[in-house]
Amino acid sequence: KQEVTQIPAALSVPEGENLVLNCSFTDSAIYNLQWFRQDPGKGLTSLLLIQSSQREQTSGRLNASLDKSSGRSTLYIAASQPGDSATYLCAKRWSGGSNYKLTFGKGTLLTVNP
Amino acid sequence: DVKVTQSSRYLVKRTGEKVFLECVQDMDHENMFWYRQDPGLGLRLIYFSYDVKMKEKGDIPEGYSVSREKKERFSLILESASTNQTSMYLCASSLYPTGEKLFFGSGTQLSVL
Repeated sequence: KQEVTQIPAALSVPEGENLVLNCSFTDSAIYNLQWFRQDPGKGLTSLLLIQSSQREQTSGRLNASLDKSSGRSTLYIAASQPGDSATYLCAKRWSGGSNYKLTFGKGTLLTVNP
Repeated sequence: DVKVTQSSRYLVKRTGEKVFLECVQDMDHENMFWYRQDPGLGLRLIYFSYDVKMKEKGDIPEGYSVSREKKERFSLILESASTNQTSMYLCASSLYPTGEKLFFGSGTQLSVL
């Protein structure tokens, strides 16, 4: 069974701090991994997509890494801002079997305090 | 940017009613998905479609059906709504089935009373 775990479930940091969100997954047969942001009561916004052949992707203050051998991905947010407050979810698409489905983690609720 | 539009933001229905949730995407994407999101359970795939008139069951299809008559529109149908179908429903689309970003709509919060 494909499982994706995000720890911690919630994180509170002061503004300006650099932070790391963690995502771990079972089964190293990964096709790609995607990070999403979700604001309260809204849909998900795609942040970064890392293919299995890649080790990291960057967009602005965000950097996502992928380590297939250890079954981990991290999302690094530099110089956090109150506007970064949201729930961050990772989702793994696995190779073998159906390539159409993602398995989502339950998310990390991030609060950045001014 | 890709736009995925869900017709209703909030919906309140009675037990036993037939409910239609509509989703439209404007970027000619091949693949469309319906998820539900519940506290503590995360996102779970209900159905997906990789082409017009094609559909495949996800992880929790029971109590739901779908329709895709046109490429841009994917409908989720609750044949006889029940209280355990109260949830946030999220539609998503992607260009290809693999290796591409998934784009989500804003969600429909459905309450079944």
